[in-house]
Parts: sequence; structure tokens; C-alpha cells
Amino acid sequence: EVQLVESGGGLVQPGGSLRLSCAASGFSFSSYAMSWVRQAPGKGLEWVSALSGSGDSTDYADSVKGRFTISRDNSKNTLFLQMNSLRAEDTAVYYCAKSYYASGTYYNAPCDSWGQGTLVTVSS
Amino acid sequence: QSVLTQPPSASGTPGQRVTISCSGSSSNIGSNTVNWYQQFPGTAPKLLIYRNNQRPSGVPDRFSGSKSGTSASLAISGLQSEDEADYYCAAWDDSLNGPVFGGGTKLTVL
Repeated sequence: EVQLVESGGGLVQPGGSLRLSCAASGFSFSSYAMSWVRQAPGKGLEWVSALSGSGDSTDYADSVKGRFTISRDNSKNTLFLQMNSLRAEDTAVYYCAKSYYASGTYYNAPCDSWGQGTLVTVSS
Repeated sequence: QSVLTQPPSASGTPGQRVTISCSGSSSNIGSNTVNWYQQFPGTAPKLLIYRNNQRPSGVPDRFSGSKSGTSASLAISGLQSEDEADYYCAAWDDSLNGPVFGGGTKLTVL
């Protein structure tokens, strides 16, 4: 059974940093691209970033480009999101999600498994 | 403001057929496949339809998807009370180089 467990969320001041982790199990982690998707309170889903299975290809939403960095450790089956220069508008539940296809690419790929999410609150 | 446009709400009575629309542009729905997600309050989204009309294992055949041009639709037949949830469409956007979502449609079963 696929399991994705996020951690690292919490309260941080504007301008601060936070590192999210997503521990994966139940599938061949390095074979699948992974993504981070967030949801602000009471709002819809917003894609944040994606990373190929090998880790050599990444993409970011314009809203986080230059501030967030996605990475993975395939030896530890873990996905990360380093978030710097945080803003109030980054407040959201952050989900890690697994791509549906075992091609390692995230291009045009849906996400078939999601973690339970971790809440990030940016406030002074 | 979401890139894909969905009606904010939809409703139907048990047993009825309901459709939810999703409108995009040539850079997303017009050139890529559409996926649909179902989300209950306080829980993670669940993949409901992928590649326009494919159902993952375990999704009832009451749920179906279609796409035409730059628009897509999700249809739910034989509506049940447990279908009451938020539904999101999504598609890869070639201009933004990432997936874009609709704003979500809250489905109410009357």
C-alpha cells in the first residue's frame, strides 16, 4: 500500500524558512516523479513544484520560483520542500503527491496518491 | 483566479445525473489530457478520472469524464449522498510548464 507522510509544517514568521519532508513507502520511490500541491484555507488546489524520479528535472509555480526548492533522497525514499522568504500568502496545507505513471516524468501526469498534508502558517 | 474555470457549485437529488464543466484554453485542456479529483472536507484529494475519461481502479463507473476542444466535463450518474464533495479539474499547461487546477465545484446532494 502506498503511503505518503508529510512533516515539518508549523508557524513561521514572514521572511522565515521551513523545510517540509514527505516519507514514502509501498512503491518504488525512484521510479516516480513527485509533486507538492498546496491548499490555502478555504481555497482550491495550487500546484507548487514537481521533481522527476531521478531528481534531474524540476519545475516550480511562478508564485514560489526562486524561494522554494524541491529535492529528494531516493536512498531514504523521502521528498523535501525547502521554503525560504515565506510570505503570508504561502499559508496553506501542503500535500506531497505521487505521479500516476512509473516513467519518472511529471509532464502531463496526474497524481494518484496523496499524503494527509502538513499545515504551514506564515504569520507574525 | 484559477486558470481553469469551473462553476463554484452544483447540486442534484439522489439517483439524478449531474455534470460539472471545466473550461480552459489551447495551452492546457486544448493540448493536454484532463484529470479530475474528488476531495472531502479535511481530507486529501483523490484521483477520480485521468486521461480525460479513464477511471483508476476502485472508482465506480458512475463517474465518467469527457473532453472536447478546450473544455471538459465530469458526469456523475445515479447520484448518491456520499458523492457530496468538492471536485477539481486539472490539466498540464504548456505555457506555465506545470499543471493547473480549476477553482473547484462544491457538489451538494439535496
